[in-house]
Amino acid sequence: GENVEQHPSTLSVQEGDSAVIKCTYSDSASNYFPWYKQELGKGPQLIIDIRSNVGEKKDQRIAVTLNKTAKHFSLHITETQPEDSAVYFCAASTGFGNEKLTFGTGTRLTIIP
Amino acid sequence: NAGVMQNPRHLVRRRGQEARLRCSPMKGHSHVYWYRQLPEEGLKFMVYLQKENIIDESGMPKERFSAEFPKEGPSILRIQQVVRGDSAAYFCASSPGGAAEKLFFGSGTQLSVL
Repeated sequence: GENVEQHPSTLSVQEGDSAVIKCTYSDSASNYFPWYKQELGKGPQLIIDIRSNVGEKKDQRIAVTLNKTAKHFSLHITETQPEDSAVYFCAASTGFGNEKLTFGTGTRLTIIP
Repeated sequence: NAGVMQNPRHLVRRRGQEARLRCSPMKGHSHVYWYRQLPEEGLKFMVYLQKENIIDESGMPKERFSAEFPKEGPSILRIQQVVRGDSAAYFCASSPGGAAEKLFFGSGTQLSVL
């Protein structure tokens, strides 16, 4: 089955700087890669996703890149703000009717004011 | 449009008791997924259901765990004869179904087994 690895497990950045979180996956059939943000005591919230026919996607301060050949994808947050502090999870699935997701182990992002 | 609703928010059970976790999907969503999260870990898939059907239960333990999503009412995850190792946060997610649909998660049920 699919295996998703995520790095780093913790990340601290100064407010205003950029943060990058990286994930690798094992199943070449995976073609849907969402990123979730989880705040304390809450469920994961989808913040951005990308499909394998796209190499990069951007939504305001958040961007995701995908390298299918190398089987890795990354989350980029620019101009970080204190409210970006949370745990971020990457995930992968084969999609198209069964969105069963395999999650990475998470990155705890702390923004230092 | 209300989000995915899970209840109870917190559930405490003694070893050997039964735990029932409920999930009401978003309006118009007919697909439900259950995930389990242990402390400091990612979410692990348990089961995928559509109305009145279990589509994929490959992540659910064969014994003591069951799930249903009836024609009317919420989806139920049932854990019989709970053990301490069942203590975790259980999250439900829903999607409208069909190809290329996104999952929306509820706030979870924190199960504590004493």
